[in-house]
Amino acid sequence: DAGVTQSPTHLIKTRGQQVTLRCSPKSGHDTVSWYQQALGQGPQFIFQYYEEEERQRGNFPDRFSGHQFPNYSSELNVNALLLGDSALYLCASSIRQGVGYGYTFGSGTRLTVV
Amino acid sequence: GESVGLHLPTLSVQEGDNSIINCAYSNSASDYFIWYKQESGKGPQFIIDIRSNMDKRQGQRVTVLLNKTVKHLSLQIAATQPGDSAVYFCAENRARRSSGSARQLTFGSGTQLTVLP
Repeated sequence: DAGVTQSPTHLIKTRGQQVTLRCSPKSGHDTVSWYQQALGQGPQFIFQYYEEEERQRGNFPDRFSGHQFPNYSSELNVNALLLGDSALYLCASSIRQGVGYGYTFGSGTRLTVV
Repeated sequence: GESVGLHLPTLSVQEGDNSIINCAYSNSASDYFIWYKQESGKGPQFIIDIRSNMDKRQGQRVTVLLNKTVKHLSLQIAATQPGDSAVYFCAENRARRSSGSARQLTFGSGTQLTVLP
């Protein structure tokens, strides 16, 4: 049983470009949350998707957007990249917006903006 | 403002000793806390959780203590092993009224645990 799968694992982009990160949730999970983790920091909540709608959003600008597909997979899009967007982007899946024991993280996508 | 923080950024212990990692939180409305372990190159992994109506919870080699009076929780790891070396985060999980039952995690900055041979 596969856990949470994220792609790509590493990515280098130029300032001003756009990027799309992808996440496949754990089998049986229907909710996807995205987190940004800067080097040496704890993960910061970006937003959560359930039933193909954004249900919650953290303190991130509109340059960060997302989507959830009928198969529960999700994308995170970041427009007009800034150097400060360099971070590890984590996807976490769960059942019906729950967290805790049933909250499974992927290994993340390391984004470097140059 | 709301915050979840750690007392120390790094902790070194001898293999076989017990480890104690501390965490402070500021929101008295917090009702659920989780400890995560993050190894290099991996995402956070669930260790143990505790609800605000409990003071203590035990798992395999781990114990979490919650002191609501001083808004403090700790993670105790018994007989620390080399495989325990990682960054440990406490996270607050609280439902937001505007989102119904939806919950999000608020993480502290983490403590790097190093197990010495």
